[in-house]
Amino acid sequence: GAGVSQSPRYKVAKRGQDVALRCDPISGHVSLFWYQQALGQGPEFLTYFQNEAQLDKSGLPSDRFFAERPEGSVSTLKIQRTQQEDSAVYLCASSLRRTDRLAEYFGPGTRLTVT
Amino acid sequence: QQQVKQSPQSLIVQKGGIPIINCAYENTAFDYFPWYQQFPGKGPALLIAIRPDVSEKKEGRFTISFNKSAKQFSLHIMDSQPGDSATYFCAASMEYGNKLVFGAGTILRVKS
Repeated sequence: GAGVSQSPRYKVAKRGQDVALRCDPISGHVSLFWYQQALGQGPEFLTYFQNEAQLDKSGLPSDRFFAERPEGSVSTLKIQRTQQEDSAVYLCASSLRRTDRLAEYFGPGTRLTVT
Repeated sequence: QQQVKQSPQSLIVQKGGIPIINCAYENTAFDYFPWYQQFPGKGPALLIAIRPDVSEKKEGRFTISFNKSAKQFSLHIMDSQPGDSATYFCAASMEYGNKLVFGAGTILRVKS
């Protein structure tokens, strides 16, 4: 594809439901990042993959958050037992090279609303 | 802990004006300072970035000024246009780090 794509673009969940957010990075990109952007704030780092290896998950706010990238391409961010404070835009980003350790191309995000 | 402080929160300029957005950081281990532009409904897009070994960098109409001793950096947009209306974020990262620390953002409106 032309860029990083994310689905769904919008998700409404009732408190306590589990959700799964998908990221399709740019083809061939080695590095993949997830960020959380609360309304009116800058993005905050969640986790980083290099191919299928999750090298940094220090930003995941609780053990309800889980991310995977089993084949080194598509990634899924799963949130269990959603809470209202999880409402935010979840951004995925990718970079081409192993040495590009910072997010370069961001997707449009998934806006999660927990009611 | 807010490690990168950005100001102003919002900014309105006339077409052709030069908006200036400022950021200050605390962590002296930061050594990479990018700026991102974000339009509504889109993800942030990298505009320009600087490392602390230079005091200024220009790319087209965008200029970063960097003051290492003051731990501050700023974005200047020359000859601003209505199409520049967006939210701008500064960010910082440590050497060999993989996470960007973002400022809270500045909403810029350029009036035609």
